[in-house]
Amino acid sequence: DTAVSQTPKYLVTQMGNDKSIKCEQNLGHDTMYWYKQDSKKFLKIMFSYNNKELIINETVPNRFSPKSPDKAHLNLHINSLELGDSAVYFCASSQGGVYGYTFGSGTRLTVV
Amino acid sequence: EDQVTQSPEALRLQEGESSSLNCSYTVSGLRGLFWYRQDPGKGPEFLFTLYSAGEEKEKERLKATLTKKESFLHITAPKPEDSATYLCAPLLTDSWGKLQFGAGTQVVVTP
Repeated sequence: DTAVSQTPKYLVTQMGNDKSIKCEQNLGHDTMYWYKQDSKKFLKIMFSYNNKELIINETVPNRFSPKSPDKAHLNLHINSLELGDSAVYFCASSQGGVYGYTFGSGTRLTVV
Repeated sequence: EDQVTQSPEALRLQEGESSSLNCSYTVSGLRGLFWYRQDPGKGPEFLFTLYSAGEEKEKERLKATLTKKESFLHITAPKPEDSATYLCAPLLTDSWGKLQFGAGTQVVVTP
């Protein structure tokens, strides 16, 4: 039973398209995150939701919009995809922003 | 500005050859420090959380220690299955659940 699951695992799309990545956690955590890992392997936080409320919103283009329908789900929608959006996107969850910080297996997005 | 530096960038070890990885940080406020390992094509896998200077935690061949400005991950008698990228990430006090990752140390253990 996967604790933090993301779909799809791979996403190849053309510039200008709109795409979504879904994340679900079954750990009962109250906080979920999106991280981006670029080609240099740096992991950087993008967004964080606590009990469906947005609490971290790093300097990310407006084309990226997270949505949390409930505590167990956090989706990432990206409009007008650009070449520079190519990266691996990781979903994560934690309890209280501190405990049990667990990552999903990632979604590799390639924009061509 | 918060900074996290991991050294070395890459480490090649013979099986059984112990070594240490360093994570030094300059952050506005530290709530804890996380260590993860990441295998190619996979997400970071949790190893340890350290919360206060002087704290140590162990798991199999790995031991993590924490001081006020840095953390060490000691690998004792490594095996090829310990090959991975090891990431450290301070958890900042001024932002709910924000992990500030270092660039990682890529460890390769050869038989």
